[in-house]
Amino acid sequence: EAGVAQSPRYKIIEKRQSVAFWCNPISGHATLYWYQQILGQGPKLLIQFQNNGVVDDSQLPKDRFSAERLKGVDSTLKIQPAKLEDSAVYLCASNQRGHGIPGANVLTFGAGSRLTVL
Amino acid sequence: DQQVKQNSPSLSVQEGRISILNCDYTNSMFDYFLWYKKYPAEGPTFLISISSIKDKNEDGRFTVFLNKSAKHLSLHIVPSQPGDSAVYFCAASASAGGTSYGKLTFGQGTILTVHP
Repeated sequence: EAGVAQSPRYKIIEKRQSVAFWCNPISGHATLYWYQQILGQGPKLLIQFQNNGVVDDSQLPKDRFSAERLKGVDSTLKIQPAKLEDSAVYLCASNQRGHGIPGANVLTFGAGSRLTVL
Repeated sequence: DQQVKQNSPSLSVQEGRISILNCDYTNSMFDYFLWYKKYPAEGPTFLISISSIKDKNEDGRFTVFLNKSAKHLSLHIVPSQPGDSAVYFCAASASAGGTSYGKLTFGQGTILTVHP
């Protein structure tokens, strides 16, 4: 089974520029997540999709961040304009409900997209 | 508000010995707990999990213990191997109305180094 694909792996931009990250989840996984991991911290959920609908975007800074999941498969996360504090690894994850213990969710993560804002 | 805390930023052990990684949580709604392992330049990979109805779950060299009254869980690795050297994240989630959600709250991570 192919894993979660993300691109680009690395991106360096200047502040106030824009950037977009792409994610292709595991085939058949209905739920897709974007997490932000700042150096020295654990991943933090930005947005959760169920198929092409948003389940939770309470921690997404909506003045600069946007995300979409057209057709319920691929997803794109955009930052515009970027700030210095947006420097982080952006992790995409997907999951298959019912894996393991009933009621539990185990997320499969991609390798991440590392963003550096100068 | 840090709902999941890993108070040890790093841990160093000798090959063959036991590694114990600790995690504390504050949200009593959390009912499912996971450990992820992360190598540099890779995404976190799932290691082991435990439901709040259990106090122990074992998978090969890895055992997770849950103490609900203390809101504490730990990951034991026995015996530790150099290939176990990585960052370990504790994560927690809360079910809602019988339908679980994959919204995970992560700790800050503990860097484990296993020396040959």
